[in-house]
Amino acid sequence: DTEVTQTPKHLVMGMTNKKSLKCEQHMGHRAMYWYKQKAKKPPELMFVYSYEKLSINESVPSRFSPECPNSSLLNLHLHALQPEDSALYLCASSQGASGSPTLYNEQFFGPGTRLTVL
Amino acid sequence: AQTVTQSQPEMSVQEAETVTLSCTYDTSENNYYLFWYKQPPSRQMILVIRQEAYKQQNATENRFSVNFQKAAKSFSLKISDSQLGDTAMYFCALYNNNDMRFGAGTRLTVKP
Repeated sequence: DTEVTQTPKHLVMGMTNKKSLKCEQHMGHRAMYWYKQKAKKPPELMFVYSYEKLSINESVPSRFSPECPNSSLLNLHLHALQPEDSALYLCASSQGASGSPTLYNEQFFGPGTRLTVL
Repeated sequence: AQTVTQSQPEMSVQEAETVTLSCTYDTSENNYYLFWYKQPPSRQMILVIRQEAYKQQNATENRFSVNFQKAAKSFSLKISDSQLGDTAMYFCALYNNNDMRFGAGTRLTVKP
């Protein structure tokens, strides 16, 4: 199974809502990532988890809160978002090594969640 | 800060022909990794090819090959025998020091 799944596929939320994005993989990868991709733009790295620990946070606003409950799951909790946060949110995973950077390994991406903030 | 530049926003190629996508980058590091990722319309992004900067030999994966010029900081992708399924957005990416940067992308259309 080389698939990364993401739910929901689409999400529309108001600025006062709280919602969560979910990502799951069963490839035994120990590194997982969240990216934000605006329309017609490249992905931008938001968070990196290695062995369920947050290892990189690219100065993302606190209204985005990541969580890695176990090695197969990655969540992104959303609260008080702004319309400019509307984007495609991509999850990815890769092989990991404890205490070592993992981004040089091949990343397997999910299809993304298309988020619209009204 | 490191940067990745793809100067060709859009390209097209006839089926079975060869096309080369350009990528230049800037980094102060000596050891880094370069990637080409492909994002087909409404489908998941997948890795096309990967190059480690300390390896002089250009990476090859079937119909895909790179021309890695370290001194010039250039990393172009050549697609041979183009197929309709190659139609996608192609992103060049650079990784080092916990920093992953993607270029703006090149939209490639393969025409029948």
